[in-house]
Amino acid sequence: AQTVTQSQPEMSVQEAETVTLSCTYDTSESDYYLFWYKQPPSRQMILVIRQEAYKQQNATENRFSVNFQKAAKSFSLKISDSQLGDAAMYFCAYRSYSNFGNEKLTFGTGTRLTIIP
Amino acid sequence: EAQVTQNPRYLITVTGKKLTVTCSQNMNHEYMSWYRQDPGLGLRQIYYSMNVEVTDKGDVPEGYKVSRKEKRNFPLILESPSPNQTSLYFCASSPGLAGAAAKNIQYFGAGTRLSVL
Repeated sequence: AQTVTQSQPEMSVQEAETVTLSCTYDTSESDYYLFWYKQPPSRQMILVIRQEAYKQQNATENRFSVNFQKAAKSFSLKISDSQLGDAAMYFCAYRSYSNFGNEKLTFGTGTRLTIIP
Repeated sequence: EAQVTQNPRYLITVTGKKLTVTCSQNMNHEYMSWYRQDPGLGLRQIYYSMNVEVTDKGDVPEGYKVSRKEKRNFPLILESPSPNQTSLYFCASSPGLAGAAAKNIQYFGAGTRLSVL
């Protein structure tokens, strides 16, 4: 079974600075997907960014980018120019490429990000 | 507007009193799933459904039931709730096998906060 580990329960960053959230995972599969979800105080789960394992190029979405190291099984999220609205719980998640129709997401335990004005 | 709707958003109940949390999506998605979120554990899959009348257990199915009689609805049933089912519950949906399954993104509902006394 796959596991996802987020070793930083809490992080804080000054507004406008850059912060990196860590995520490692364990799998024996070669094809899979990785995600970062944001959960603000409203509790809504919001997809931030997605990476397909077969792509070597790191995904980027505006101020959000990832550092995907497949051999090291590492998938960190970098937030540039942090804004107050970035304050949230961030979850790293794994999805198998093919799991007989079950699109189960395996989540890490989350990192709570605080933005300091 | 494409959305996944859960009801109720908040629920307080007592041990043993049957309850149902409803989930409805308006995107004609084939795949639907339930997760529970607990502090320090992230989100874990309870049940999933690949289509009407096709459901299967996730990682933590004990104490829960589901049904999928219509494509749009996927209710979560707690026949005899217990305090250890106090949690935050999320419903999610995606196109499933009808879409480009490899690229499917899951849409989450807003969550249901359940307290069992």
